[in-house]
Amino acid sequence: GAVVSQHPSWVICKSGTSVKIECRSLDFQATTMFWYRQFPKQSLMLMATSNEGSKATYEQGVEKDKFLINHASLTLSTLTVTSAHPEDSSFYICSARLAGGLYNEQFFGPGTRLTVL
Amino acid sequence: DAKTTQPPSMDCAEGRAANLPCNHSTISGNEYVYWYRQIHSQGPQYIIHGLKNNETNEMASLIITEDRKSSTLILPHATLRDTAVYYCIVREDFNKFYFGSGTKLNVKP
Repeated sequence: GAVVSQHPSWVICKSGTSVKIECRSLDFQATTMFWYRQFPKQSLMLMATSNEGSKATYEQGVEKDKFLINHASLTLSTLTVTSAHPEDSSFYICSARLAGGLYNEQFFGPGTRLTVL
Repeated sequence: DAKTTQPPSMDCAEGRAANLPCNHSTISGNEYVYWYRQIHSQGPQYIIHGLKNNETNEMASLIITEDRKSSTLILPHATLRDTAVYYCIVREDFNKFYFGSGTKLNVKP
């Protein structure tokens, strides 16, 4: 149980285009999902918190107009990287918090490798 | 920022116990300690969590000091597949996890 999937697993795009990444909780409902970014040899950096049916809250320094987050249902959140540039190339990871869970554990997706040419 | 500090790397012989320390001296009374690991180019995997009592599950044991300022994750019989970066996390804000730099565990044959 508690499986989180991401699609696509990797994507290559041209500079200036937009890329959408999906995060799904497959066997549980998640009122809250999170998006992280990880550069090579670095730790995960929290980008934003996504709550179902409301606007995402972004961490300091993360451009909300560049990283559009939509959490339309209890099992799906999407991250759109708008007008991507090479510096946006990174490993993007989502996680989902079990709705009603007592211990706040998060279940992570496998990640999406974005390469912007 | 993360509230935890961990050694950057550790080595362990296959079949031996791996003991990974974590310092969280500013932890608050109601904050849990979580451990996750990340195998190269994958999403983090949940291992264990605890509040103040020692915990054990099928993957590992978690020992939390009485003053809760530090903890140790124990992998009782490390295998090559346990080679990963291990993250100790203390929740700082409701729902949010801030990852520190973690410990790279190298399990050697």
